[in-house]
Amino acid sequence: GQQVMQIPQYQHVQEGEDFTTYCNSSTTLSNIQWYKQRPGGHPVFLIQLVKSGEVKKQKRLTFQFGEAKKNSSLHITATQTTDVGTYFCAGLIQGAQKLVFGQGTRLTINP
Amino acid sequence: DTEVTQTPKHLVMGMTNKKSLKCEQHMGHRAMYWYKQKAKKPPELMFVYSYEKLSINESVPSRFSPECPNSSLLNLHLHALQPEDSALYLCASSLRIGTDPYEQYFGPGTRLTVT
Repeated sequence: GQQVMQIPQYQHVQEGEDFTTYCNSSTTLSNIQWYKQRPGGHPVFLIQLVKSGEVKKQKRLTFQFGEAKKNSSLHITATQTTDVGTYFCAGLIQGAQKLVFGQGTRLTINP
Repeated sequence: DTEVTQTPKHLVMGMTNKKSLKCEQHMGHRAMYWYKQKAKKPPELMFVYSYEKLSINESVPSRFSPECPNSSLLNLHLHALQPEDSALYLCASSLRIGTDPYEQYFGPGTRLTVT
């Protein structure tokens, strides 16, 4: 079936280190969205990327959408303990009407 | 108001019980979703309603029965569940569905345990 692969599955960093998670799709995406889920919480929308090669920034977070619209990344600069959680990418396959979620990357931080 | 509310927060039910999960939003969204999430897994789509009509059913067993009484409410009726149905059930809404990018707003979820 249609899948969005996300790596790594887990990432443990020291506070202040950078963090990156990657998503790859076997098919072209109309757009990709990123969500964050804190431990015990629910997914919260962070951002969506629509255009080929798009780059968006939110403070310490940088989101990229690949030129072929098949991959995306989220980079966090200088992690803080508030960044702890699971980050999901979710792609809208072209022609489809539902999001396909990646497996998520669980970020833990050593203060 | 950008909130999706869900009740109850926690539910424990036996395999012979009938219960319902409720979801409500007042953002004027016309698409509403039910997801199931197991621990350390991504949300798994179950149903999508668009303009109060069932648009997508991801081959969910009939022991789960969705209902959309109006544009603000979404219910999930549960009957004869199995222990493996224990999970976090998330409701979400978005402005619409379609090929345009509409972000989804998730509720806090109902933690369901089937005994």
